[in-house]
Amino acid sequence: LAKTTQPISMDSYEGQEVNITCSHNNIATNDYITWYQQFPSQGPRFIIQGYKTKVTNEVASLFIPADRKSSTLSLPRVSLSDTAVYYCLVTRFSGTYKYIFGTGTRLKVLA
Amino acid sequence: EAGVTQFPSHSVIEKGQTVTLRCDPISGHDNLYWYRRVMGKEIKFLLHFVKESKQDESGMPNNRFLAERTGGTYSTLKVQPAELEDSGVYFCASSQDYRASGSPLHFGNGTRLTVT
Repeated sequence: LAKTTQPISMDSYEGQEVNITCSHNNIATNDYITWYQQFPSQGPRFIIQGYKTKVTNEVASLFIPADRKSSTLSLPRVSLSDTAVYYCLVTRFSGTYKYIFGTGTRLKVLA
Repeated sequence: EAGVTQFPSHSVIEKGQTVTLRCDPISGHDNLYWYRRVMGKEIKFLLHFVKESKQDESGMPNNRFLAERTGGTYSTLKVQPAELEDSGVYFCASSQDYRASGSPLHFGNGTRLTVT
């Protein structure tokens, strides 16, 4: 599975839009891009998933360029409660359906 | 619907003892995964069940770890005998139909295992 690379940490202020970019240069045709959010003492929580172009839900947007070698998670107008670790995963829905976590991005939202 | 539940939430045992972790997936979810995070490291895949069958156990660290999923419902992960390096947080996750793309993982809150 493709290895993902994302910034270790980011700081933002309440009300700002936050964009977290993940690179996955070796992504394969069968692979999807999935983002999870994790708060302390909790398990990761699914945020959004996409294959190409743009996906939007009530929480976030996911932008994937045509070459799919990177993706950007966009969180609109963050609040203090969005402080968490955000993981970008490349997931393959064939064979063993393996989901591999990277190091994640620790987002800190400041007042 | 009830989420993925894990029991216990915390466990403290001595080196050499046995511990059994339990995971109840979301009802109807065929796929069940075990992951763990040891201190300061990434969340690592341990194994994947499809119903009662082990689909992929390539992440199991050694033969001191035994996972079962009898009847394709709940799963247990036994560590016997426990070693200091087994300390960490063990997460269980489940997902729906393995044939359908876009089935996200639903995680439990984990079991924090401390081996002293």
